[in-house]
Amino acid sequence: AQKITQTQPGMFVQEKEAVTLDCTYDTSDPSYGLFWYKQPSSGEMIFLIYQGSYDQQNATEGRYSLNFQKARKSANLVISASQLGDSAMYFCAMREGIAQTSYDKVIFGPGTSLSVIP
Amino acid sequence: EAGVAQSPRYKIIEKRQSVAFWCNPISGHATLYWYQQILGQGPKLLIQFQNNGVVDDSQLPKDRFSAERLKGVDSTLKIQPAKLEDSAVYLCASSLDLDRGRETQYFGPGTRLLVL
Repeated sequence: AQKITQTQPGMFVQEKEAVTLDCTYDTSDPSYGLFWYKQPSSGEMIFLIYQGSYDQQNATEGRYSLNFQKARKSANLVISASQLGDSAMYFCAMREGIAQTSYDKVIFGPGTSLSVIP
Repeated sequence: EAGVAQSPRYKIIEKRQSVAFWCNPISGHATLYWYQQILGQGPKLLIQFQNNGVVDDSQLPKDRFSAERLKGVDSTLKIQPAKLEDSAVYLCASSLDLDRGRETQYFGPGTRLLVL
């Protein structure tokens, strides 16, 4: 079963508009973290934003915010005022603790390709 | 602070040849990850080290892939012999791991492998 689902393989957004990238996850661990990464065509993975399962408020980092709905197990990324440089692949990832071990497991979703149109 | 270093950045080999990739994580980071990212897909974890011990290698094709992390610092990933389907970007990442469930991974630039 897919642990991280990103249902939008590709998205288009007009420059300066806001866009929401969807992410749903599946875990039985009460303590977990959700991450969003950006991967431009150059290939590096750039960390954007983090949301902890116990965090009371939705995370924000500049133009990035995370719409965290714990009951629905969704962690959508909102990019405000899109810029041409936002065109990239976006990956949602979940970090969960493996029971009775000392390490965490990180799982990535399949990604969403975002294209910003001038 | 220096980031995660990887080399080489690009490699082209013929099938059945062997290849090795190197990764130097951020200083002090306990956990090191190797991911395989096939074009158009998300990264898939191959192996995860905590200090110099393996904690997860469940998705590593052990008949051809091997990895080691000597002295809990840098790491090498080897493929021997390579197959066409091994063509991918191999990403190395590290994390500090003082706060379970909350640690951010930091990625290197990746090695693009093409097997002909």
